[in-house]
Amino acid sequence: GAGVSQSPSNKVTEKGKDVELRCDPISGHTALYWYRQSLGQGLEFLIYFQGNSAPDKSGLPSDRFSAERTGGSVSTLTIQRTQQEDSAVYLCASSLVPGVGGYTFGSGTRLTVV
Amino acid sequence: GENVEQHPSTLSVQEGDSAVIKCTYSDSASNYFPWYKQELGKRPQLIIDIRSNVGEKKDQRIAVTLNKTAKHFSLHITETQPEDSAVYFCAAEPAAGNKLTFGGGTRVLVKP
Repeated sequence: GAGVSQSPSNKVTEKGKDVELRCDPISGHTALYWYRQSLGQGLEFLIYFQGNSAPDKSGLPSDRFSAERTGGSVSTLTIQRTQQEDSAVYLCASSLVPGVGGYTFGSGTRLTVV
Repeated sequence: GENVEQHPSTLSVQEGDSAVIKCTYSDSASNYFPWYKQELGKRPQLIIDIRSNVGEKKDQRIAVTLNKTAKHFSLHITETQPEDSAVYFCAAEPAAGNKLTFGGGTRVLVKP
């Protein structure tokens, strides 16, 4: 597609429920990243996929968080047993080749856990 | 891993004045340094970037400088305009093509 697409744009969920956030990167981009941005804060790295390599999961805050990328394209970030501190904007980005150019970000999913 | 510090956290300038944001990084292997602008409620967007083989880069009213020896880089915005008001993030990426590490952001307010 023309840009990075994320869905849903907004998600309100009850504490303890599971949520799935979707990211559709720019076609042909080999690298895909998930970041989290709490209100008024910076960009916290979560996970990074590059081609067929094992993902870099070093930023996932707990084992309630997981992500997968199917067929080298669409990615899903799953948060199990959501907590109020999970409330944030979850941003996905993709890049053509890591280290060559910057990221293109999606518009994000605003997650609110009530 | 890489650590990026960004200062100041907030910056208020008069329209027409210059704004400077400074970042330092820890990993001497980093060689790519982009800057992103995030307007309220919108996605971060790349505005300028620099590689370690270049000391300075300009694009109209914005410029970035890099000092590899000191491991710091700066964003300069000249003749600021109200539409420059946003949060600006610096970032660093190592040569291995790993992920970007972002600074904490600078909220810039340009007063008319």
